[in-house]
Amino acid sequence: DAGITQSPRHKVTETGTPVTLRCHQTENHRYMYWYRQDPGHGLRLIHYSYGVKDTDKGEVSDGYSVSRSKTEDFLLTLESATSSQTSVYFCAISESQDRGDGNEQFFGPGTRLTVL
Amino acid sequence: GDSVTQMEGPVTLSEEAFLTINCTYTATGYPSLFWYVQYPGEGLQLLLKATKADDKGSNKGFEATYRKETTSFHLEKGSVQVSDSAVYFCALRMDSNYQLIWGAGTKLIIKP
Repeated sequence: DAGITQSPRHKVTETGTPVTLRCHQTENHRYMYWYRQDPGHGLRLIHYSYGVKDTDKGEVSDGYSVSRSKTEDFLLTLESATSSQTSVYFCAISESQDRGDGNEQFFGPGTRLTVL
Repeated sequence: GDSVTQMEGPVTLSEEAFLTINCTYTATGYPSLFWYVQYPGEGLQLLLKATKADDKGSNKGFEATYRKETTSFHLEKGSVQVSDSAVYFCALRMDSNYQLIWGAGTKLIIKP
């Protein structure tokens, strides 16, 4: 199994509070991704990173920010959590984005976030 | 834009039954296609993939063939087991765009 951990695994917080989720990898993969998973929507990309300090927005980036100061860590921050951000958050990594081998995305175990 | 459509679930089958989960896509070019599986309480795992027309991906008894003419990538298994109970996601990725485009997922329930 790819070495990806997420912390915390579960969190309950209140509307308006800041929340930071952490993704840590031991695979030295260049690309990292944050998704949210909601019933009926599959997975939706929030932000991704293509290297240290290099990040870009995904499909549903409003209300979220990210940072990547080291290859192994990718942080997702909700500056002021809202109830609509209650979801399961998955981190993923990939070695490349080419058509050939190596573009597989490996997923972490997820973080279940509840915003009351 | 590019999109993926999967059959709605849940799909409920008896053990040893034949499985088909339909997946069709809309894309302006020639995407790579993927099936991922999510077991209860876990993250997603790549099940199989195909990168060009007529390619067949296979793994753990599951198969899917990239059909350009019907823009489909249906997942099949000849004899399912209770341990196959999970949510299955179809996804595509274009060469011009790193992003994976996901279907909504199909929950599969296998009864003994």
